[in-house]
Amino acid sequence: SQTIHQWPATLVQPVGSPLSLECTVEGTSNPNLYWYRQAAGRGLQLLFYSVGIGQISSEVPQNLSASRPQDRQFILSSKKLLLSDSGFYLCAWSVPQGRPVGYFGPGTRLTVT
Amino acid sequence: GQQVMQIPQYQHVQEGEDFTTYCNSSTTLSNIQWYKQRPGGHPVFLIQLVKSGEVKKQKRLTFQFGEAKKNSSLHITATQTTDVGTYFCAGPDSGAGSYQLTFGKGTKLSVIP
Repeated sequence: SQTIHQWPATLVQPVGSPLSLECTVEGTSNPNLYWYRQAAGRGLQLLFYSVGIGQISSEVPQNLSASRPQDRQFILSSKKLLLSDSGFYLCAWSVPQGRPVGYFGPGTRLTVT
Repeated sequence: GQQVMQIPQYQHVQEGEDFTTYCNSSTTLSNIQWYKQRPGGHPVFLIQLVKSGEVKKQKRLTFQFGEAKKNSSLHITATQTTDVGTYFCAGPDSGAGSYQLTFGKGTKLSVIP
């Protein structure tokens, strides 16, 4: 069966510090991978998605970036965090073909102070 | 771009009462999906509806997809405290080969015991 891992679970970072969140998927090959952000009490905002190694599409302009160095690894980064980057970051995967269905990881709660 | 709207935003019910959330898309959807997010948790995929007019049941949950494939509903019969959480609908973005899902803002359900 497929599993998706995210770490860390929680993170408190000062404004201006760098960020690196990692997501890995097991039990599937060539998944589509996604990064979402959820502000407190709000809906899901798609940040990035990837259909293959090195292929990243960005949905919103921001100071975040994403990379996919391996087939089942997706990384979310920032060089300098802003207060507005606080939120719940969720990684998700879907099967490479057919109808996309989101299988979400446990998420990382980021607080920028 | 495509928009998916959900109502109501919040719903408070007494345990044992029924609950319904509605989802409307600005475009025709190839399929619609429903997710549940428990407080403090991550969204979990519940079901996918594909056919026009489709109705599916999962125990006390009934999901419907509209005839025009632009709206959907989730009905919970005799709510329980375990039903607490936020329910999201999502549909794939229009356009061939789209890998993205557009989520509604969710309906947050509170159940008063």
